[in-house]
Amino acid sequence: EAGVTQSPTHLIKTRGQQATLRCSPISGHTSVYWYQQALGLGLQFLLWYDEGEERNRGNFPPRFSGRQFPNYSSELNVNALELEDSALYLCASSRDRATVYEQYFGPGTRLTVT
Amino acid sequence: GQQVMQIPQYQHVQEGEDFTTYCNSSTTLSNIQWYKQRPGGHPVFLIQLVKSGEVKKQKRLTFQFGEAKKNSSLHITATQTTDVGTYFCAGPENTDKLIFGTGTRLQVFP
Repeated sequence: EAGVTQSPTHLIKTRGQQATLRCSPISGHTSVYWYQQALGLGLQFLLWYDEGEERNRGNFPPRFSGRQFPNYSSELNVNALELEDSALYLCASSRDRATVYEQYFGPGTRLTVT
Repeated sequence: GQQVMQIPQYQHVQEGEDFTTYCNSSTTLSNIQWYKQRPGGHPVFLIQLVKSGEVKKQKRLTFQFGEAKKNSSLHITATQTTDVGTYFCAGPENTDKLIFGTGTRLQVFP
């Protein structure tokens, strides 16, 4: 069974630009979660999508947004990039809303803002 | 909001020594999860504990959920270099998201 995949692996942007990160969940999983992990720090919850709808979001400004497509893949968009947005962005999936606690993570996208 | 703290933040041990990380929540948890993140890697789900006082073992790893369901621990017996990484506990906030702990970074010296 293929795991969660994310693209790109690395992304370098300049301040003020927009970044788009992509995630494909494990086949059969309908829930997708996004986390931000700044260097050496813990995971901060960003967004949760299930069945195409945003179910919850963390304490991040509106310039962090995303969506989930009919095939359950997801996209995270970060507008007006700031230097402090540099981090590893992790996507995770779970089988459905009832299994929110057992999440499988992808390898992440390393975003660097210069 | 809910907070999940872990101690210690860092732990360096000699190979063969034991290691324990503690997880404390500001609120009672319905369940708790443990994840391991190898250096340069992504978090990997290890286990979920649900019952008060529950103890589960995975080879050299022993996981415990406190009686009050506000704390948990992960104990590794006779550490190996393959145990290196950061261990995170995670607890649910309401029913719709996980709050990850601050993590404990384990370094094992051969």
